[in-house]
Amino acid sequence: SAVISQKPSRDICQRGTSLTIQCQVDSQVTMMFWYRQQPGQSLTLIATANQGSEATYESGFVIDKFPISRPNLTFSTLTVSNMSPEDSSIYLCSVEDSSGFTNEKLFFGSGTQLSVL
Amino acid sequence: SQQGEEDPQALSIQEGENATMNCSYKTSINNLQWYRQNSGRGLVHLILIRSNEREKHSGRLRVTLDTSKKSSSLLITASRAADTASYFCATDKRNQGGKLIFGQGTELSVKP
Repeated sequence: SAVISQKPSRDICQRGTSLTIQCQVDSQVTMMFWYRQQPGQSLTLIATANQGSEATYESGFVIDKFPISRPNLTFSTLTVSNMSPEDSSIYLCSVEDSSGFTNEKLFFGSGTQLSVL
Repeated sequence: SQQGEEDPQALSIQEGENATMNCSYKTSINNLQWYRQNSGRGLVHLILIRSNEREKHSGRLRVTLDTSKKSSSLLITASRAADTASYFCATDKRNQGGKLIFGQGTELSVKP
């Protein structure tokens, strides 16, 4: 299993500013995933963060808007840049169960609830 | 197109009753998973069923998978107020590699 600490747990931000979300895992993992969950909606994958290489972004998400850092095997950050009210969502980091096969089980952080005014 | 679609969107039952949630998907999968999300929190993995399995049990949870109909169901027996949460199915699409696709979720409310 993996324990993920994500912070901040919530924030209220002004339009045009940026927020950096941190995700710390208690074990070394190859891939870390960042998801967005808009109000009342399901999860959408933003990007996959690998240590030592640039993150891989999904369709509709770009590095300028959501820059990601992955300095080591236990830590990652996601920045939401130049925020607008449409960015109000829960942002979740996630890792795979390293004892299993790919895509067989994800562990999630507790999420960051972001409100943009 | 939406890979995982769930119904009902919302379900309200009394404690002790059974709750059934359904998930449909569109393309071939390697496995299908169910997750629970308590309000405003992260998701917790409940159970995984592989494409060559038809039924799986874990405690009060029973999952079925019908690959011919591209559908799955999650049954929670003898529900408790603590089961109140949103439940999501997630599929690992065959030959797509690398990510899970989450359904829209069912919001379950269990009244004491």
